[in-house]
Amino acid sequence: GENVEQHPSTLSVQEGDSAVIKCTYSDSASNYFPWYKQELGKGPQLIIDIRSNVGEKKDQRIAVTLNKTAKHFSLHITETQPEDSAVYFCAPGPGRDDKIIFGKGTRLHILP
Amino acid sequence: DVKVTQSSRYLVKRTGEKVFLECVQDMDHENMFWYRQDPGLGLRLIYFSYDVKMKEKGDIPEGYSVSREKKERFSLILESASTNQTSMYLCASSLPRAGNTEAFFGQGTRLTVV
Repeated sequence: GENVEQHPSTLSVQEGDSAVIKCTYSDSASNYFPWYKQELGKGPQLIIDIRSNVGEKKDQRIAVTLNKTAKHFSLHITETQPEDSAVYFCAPGPGRDDKIIFGKGTRLHILP
Repeated sequence: DVKVTQSSRYLVKRTGEKVFLECVQDMDHENMFWYRQDPGLGLRLIYFSYDVKMKEKGDIPEGYSVSREKKERFSLILESASTNQTSMYLCASSLPRAGNTEAFFGQGTRLTVV
């Protein structure tokens, strides 16, 4: 089955700086690469996704890059703001038996 | 606006009680999921269902069961609650080919077993 690893588990960056979170996966058949954001007291919510026929996708201050050969994809947040403080999850898929398997999450702290 | 609703935000139950966590979605999604979230362990899949009356075990099904009698409702059952089941429980739904489409989550139920 899919083995998903996320790094780092915790990340602190100064407000205005950039943050990068990396997700590695094991299933070479994966072709969908989403990132979810979980704010305090809420369920995770999709913020950006990419499919395997595209190498990079950008939406304002967030971007996702994909390296299918190396089996990893990354979330990039530029010009970080306090509201970016949250836990971020990757969930490459589709998984075995139609499951959705998440990474363990990255807690991002934006320092004033 | 799409919605997944969990019946309770907070629950406190006693050891040995039978506990029901309810989840309803209004998007006509075929797939529904139950996860538990613990610090440092991320989201772990307990059970999922890809159709009415159909269910599949996730990675940590022990001590849990599920029920899906109607398409919009997916219930998680703790047969005999134990303190190690104290956790945040999250319900999600998605279209078919779940790993290839967006998952929509409820707000979570924080369960404490005393």
